[in-house]
Amino acid sequence: NAGVMQNPRHLVRRRGQEARLRCSPMKGHSHVYWYRQLPEEGLKFMVYLQKENIIDESGMPKERFSAEFPKEGPSILRIQQVVRGDSAAYFCASSPSGLNTEAFFGQGTRLTVV
Amino acid sequence: GNSVTQMEGPVTLSEEAFLTINCTYTATGYPSLFWYVQYPGEGLQLLLKATKADDKGSNKGFEATYRKETTSFHLEKGSVQVSDSAVYFCALVKDTDKLIFGTGTRLQVFP
Repeated sequence: NAGVMQNPRHLVRRRGQEARLRCSPMKGHSHVYWYRQLPEEGLKFMVYLQKENIIDESGMPKERFSAEFPKEGPSILRIQQVVRGDSAAYFCASSPSGLNTEAFFGQGTRLTVV
Repeated sequence: GNSVTQMEGPVTLSEEAFLTINCTYTATGYPSLFWYVQYPGEGLQLLLKATKADDKGSNKGFEATYRKETTSFHLEKGSVQVSDSAVYFCALVKDTDKLIFGTGTRLQVFP
């Protein structure tokens, strides 16, 4: 059973471009969480999704950021018109049914905006 | 709201020294508590957890006890190794089912 797969591992974008980050949860997991880690800081919650539904997006900026978890395929975190401040590591976690069980994290996507 | 506070790092120790990383939390009721570890360039790995008061989580020589009276979940290890060098995150989960993390504590162990 493969772990949580994120790709790409590293992504470089110029200011104004779009960034798409992908997360394939572990097999059998229907809950996906996205977190952002700024340099030398902790992880900040962004969004919680179940298949085809956004459950909690309280941590996601209102503009330029969106997330989806379609019925088929990976979860996508999309950042439009990236700015330098978006440079961070973005981590995805999945769990079978709520985080009181256990969350498994991917290795992250490190986004650099130049 | 719910929150986690960790001691600031870095914590610098010699090999075989005793480790304590303090963690306290603020939450109503009884959250579940976790310690995650992040090695350089990697994602987070669950180190240990405790789901109710007085539970002790343990793994790889690390321990932490859920103390409701002091709202704490301090991480301890009796004898650290160079390979333990990493960033350690304390976290909690409460009703909303999202992990809330502390800011992380970097541990550096020297031979």
